[in-house]
Amino acid sequence: NAGVTQTPKFQVLKTGQSMTLQCAQDMNHNSMYWYRQDPGMGLRLIYYSASEGTTDKGEVPNGYNVSRLNKREFSLRLESAAPSQTSVYFCASSTNGGRETQYFGPGTRLLVL
Amino acid sequence: KQEVTQIPAALSVPEGENLVLNCSFTDSAIYNLQWFRQDPGKGLTSLLLIQSSQREQTSGRLNASLDKSSGRSTLYIAASQPGDSATYLCAVNDYKLSFGAGTTVTVRA
Repeated sequence: NAGVTQTPKFQVLKTGQSMTLQCAQDMNHNSMYWYRQDPGMGLRLIYYSASEGTTDKGEVPNGYNVSRLNKREFSLRLESAAPSQTSVYFCASSTNGGRETQYFGPGTRLLVL
Repeated sequence: KQEVTQIPAALSVPEGENLVLNCSFTDSAIYNLQWFRQDPGKGLTSLLLIQSSQREQTSGRLNASLDKSSGRSTLYIAASQPGDSATYLCAVNDYKLSFGAGTTVTVRA
């Protein structure tokens, strides 16, 4: 099992460009999450999907959109990148949201110039 | 809004010393608390998960305690080794995970 995979591993964007971060899990999990990690601030939840077909905002959703493509895949889109979105982005999944352990991908490092 | 604090932000100890990492949270209505390890440039690895009904959880040299009433958890790592050098994050689960900023540990050989 690969667990949670993320692509790309690293990306450089110019302000105003768009891109989609991809996430896939092969653990048959129902719930999936997107976080961003900034120095000294811990991880903050951007969006989550409790089950296929549903998505909800987290703590810092502004400037992002998500798509739960199917049970395996959950993508994060930046429509018009800003320097404030420079961060490390982590995708995670769990069996069912709430009480379960979350499993994390290796992260995508994004630099917006 | 749940606030999670980890003190100290960084810790350096000689090999063999026991490590004590602290985590505090503001809202005691939680499902569970999780401790993660993060190596530089890597993702998060789950170490221990303590359910709200539990007082502690153990795995090898790691022991985590939970005191919901006081909003505290402590991660103990016995007989530290250089390979334990990493950032340790605690996360409180009240349906969504709220993370502390982490404690960066350096174990000197």
